[in-house]
Amino acid sequence: DAGITQSPRHKVTETGTPVTLRCHQTENHRYMYWYRQDPGHGLRLIHYSYGVKDTDKGEVSDGYSVSRSKTEDFLLTLESATSSQTSVYFCAISRGSGGNLETQYFGPGTRLLVL
Amino acid sequence: SQQGEEDPQALSIQEGENATMNCSYKTSINNLQWYRQNSGRGLVHLILIRSNEREKHSGRLRVTLDTSKKSSSLLITASRAADTASYFCATDASRNSGGSNYKLTFGKGTLLTVNP
Repeated sequence: DAGITQSPRHKVTETGTPVTLRCHQTENHRYMYWYRQDPGHGLRLIHYSYGVKDTDKGEVSDGYSVSRSKTEDFLLTLESATSSQTSVYFCAISRGSGGNLETQYFGPGTRLLVL
Repeated sequence: SQQGEEDPQALSIQEGENATMNCSYKTSINNLQWYRQNSGRGLVHLILIRSNEREKHSGRLRVTLDTSKKSSSLLITASRAADTASYFCATDASRNSGGSNYKLTFGKGTLLTVNP
C-alpha cells in the first residue's frame, strides 16, 4: 500500500462547526487530491494540489478550503459544516509525469457525519 | 458532471463466469484507468490504457479502448467471489503538460457481485 494516512477516520460533528481533515503521505508525490464519495454520485473532486502552496478547485469546491504547507500534508477544511457535507472523504496522491497523469493511490477514507 | 459513465450500474454473476463492464466518456483523453473499491475501503488502481493503445492485459483483466466511440470495456475472466467490488473508470483529460492540471474524472461505478 502507498504510504497514505487520513485522520481522523471517523468524525461526528454538528452543523456550523469547522472541521479539518488531514491527509499525510510518505511517498513525496507531487500531486494530492481530496474527493468525496456519495451514493449515486460516485467520486467527485473537491480540491487538488500540484505542489507546496499550489492548489486548485475541483468539481465540488464550494464550502471547502485546502492548504498544503509541506509536501507530505494536505488539509481539507470545512469552514462551517452542513448536513450536505456528510460523506466519505478520500485523499489520493500521484506522481504525475510527462504529459500523462500516472495512477492515483488512495487513502483509507474518512467518514464524516454532520448532524 | 462526470466524464466517465459505467454500464451496467450493477452486475451479478456466478463464480467462474466472465464479467464485462463498460465505460463511456465525452472528451478526448490522454489515458483511461480502471479502479476497484472493496466495500468501505479506498480505491485501488487496476490498469491504465493510453489513448494510443487499443487493448491491454493484466492477469485475468482485459481492457479495450475505442477512442472513436469514446468507450472502454473491462473484462474480468474466470471471476471469483473475491472479485466482488465496485469498479470505476477514470479519465485523464489534462491539457496542461506543465503540471498544474493533472486530475482524473471518475464515473459512478459498476457494482459487481460474484456469487459462490
